[in-house]
Amino acid sequence: QKEVEQDPGPLSVPEGAIVSLNCTYSNSAFQYFMWYRQYSRKGPELLMYTYSSGNKEDGRFTAQVDKSSKYISLFIRDSQPSDSATYLCAISPYSGAGSYQLTFGKGTKLSVIP
Amino acid sequence: GAGVSQTPSNKVTEKGKYVELRCDPISGHTALYWYRQSLGQGPEFLIYFQGTGAADDSGLPNDRFFAVRPEGSVSTLKIQRTERGDSAVYLCASSLTRDNKETQYFGPGTRLLVL
Repeated sequence: QKEVEQDPGPLSVPEGAIVSLNCTYSNSAFQYFMWYRQYSRKGPELLMYTYSSGNKEDGRFTAQVDKSSKYISLFIRDSQPSDSATYLCAISPYSGAGSYQLTFGKGTKLSVIP
Repeated sequence: GAGVSQTPSNKVTEKGKYVELRCDPISGHTALYWYRQSLGQGPEFLIYFQGTGAADDSGLPNDRFFAVRPEGSVSTLKIQRTERGDSAVYLCASSLTRDNKETQYFGPGTRLLVL
C-alpha cells in the first residue's frame, strides 16, 4: 500500500460547480497536510496547508482533514476554468527527522469546462 | 522576486550518456530539495541540502545519481550512464529553512528524455 493514495481522475466539471478532491494516507506519523496545484509544464505551487483535523478556508478553497480516518480533502467552490490543473496532496511528519520530506499523491487532473 | 529557476528546461540524451541538471534557488533560501516526477505520478523526494552539505540523500535511486551544492546556493543534479527509466521531470524546490512549516517553492522542472 502506498503511503498516500489519490485518485488520478481525470475529473471534468462545469464552471461554477463544487469540486471535491480527496486523498487517504496510511501512516499516522504524518501530521502536516498540504495541497499543491500544478499547471501543465509548471512546478507545483502551494495552495493550502494545515496541521490539525477540521476545516481551513481560504477564499474559494477549503481544506479538510480527518485524522481518525486518515482522509484529507480539498473543496473548490464556484470553480473557474482557471482552476483547471492537477491537484496534488502532500503530507509530511510534523517534526523530527525527515519532516521536510514531502510525500505526494499521484495528483488529480481537473478540467473546469466553461 | 525571482522564483526557483532550472536549466535546461528540456534535455534529450541517449542511453548511457551523462547529464547535469542545474537549479538556482530563491536567494536566501538555505534548504534545497530535488524531486523526480514520472509521468502520471506525484513528485518523489530525491535529496535535501541544508547549506552546502547533502543532509539527506535517502531518495536517490542508485549510485548513478549524485548532487552537489558547493557554495550553498546553486545545485547540480548529475546522472551517470543514463537509462530509459530515468526519463522524468526533475523538480527543484527551495525553502527559507528546513522547517516543514516553511513553504517549499518549486521550479518549473527539467524534462529529461533518455532515448
